[in-house]
Amino acid sequence: GENVEQHPSTLSVQEGDSAVIKCTYSDSASNYFPWYKQELGKRPQLIIDIRSNVGEKKDQRIAVTLNKTAKHFSLHITETQPEDSAVYFCAASRRSGGYNKLIFGAGTRLAVHP
Amino acid sequence: NAGVTQTPKFRILKIGQSMTLQCTQDMNHNYMYWYRQDPGMGLKLIYYSVGAGITDKGEVPNGYNVSRSTTEDFPLRLELAAPSQTSVYFCASSYSGHEAFFGQGTRLTVV
Repeated sequence: GENVEQHPSTLSVQEGDSAVIKCTYSDSASNYFPWYKQELGKRPQLIIDIRSNVGEKKDQRIAVTLNKTAKHFSLHITETQPEDSAVYFCAASRRSGGYNKLIFGAGTRLAVHP
Repeated sequence: NAGVTQTPKFRILKIGQSMTLQCTQDMNHNYMYWYRQDPGMGLKLIYYSVGAGITDKGEVPNGYNVSRSTTEDFPLRLELAAPSQTSVYFCASSYSGHEAFFGQGTRLTVV
């Protein structure tokens, strides 16, 4: 089955700096890679996603890159702000038996200090 | 649309008790999931369903059961609750098995 590893588990940056979170996946058949943000006490919410036929996707200050050969994908946040502080989860989805299954990484706790 | 609604929001159970966590969605999504999130940890898939009448095990199914009699509802049943089941439980739904929408979570404590 799919296994998703996420690094680092915690990340501390100064406001305005960039933050990068990396994930690796085990199943080469995985074809969809979303990123979720979970603020304290709240539900996870999708912030950006990428499909296996795309190498990079950008949305304002956040971007995701995918390297299918190496089986890893990364979240990049530029010009970080205190409100970016949260836990970020990567996930991978693969089609098996006609159905898609979404498996999450362990999460990265990002702290942005003013 | 209310999205994904979970009840209850909080619950305390005694060891050995049973309960059902309710989840309903009004987006006509085919896929529904149950995840558990232990303190400071990630989301572990318990069970998922790809449509009414179809369910399958995830990563950590032991101690739980599910059913999917309608598209809207996907209840999670805990039999013989154990302290190891203390966690926050999230239900989610998805149209195609990709973008998932989460409920607000149920915080369960087993004492």
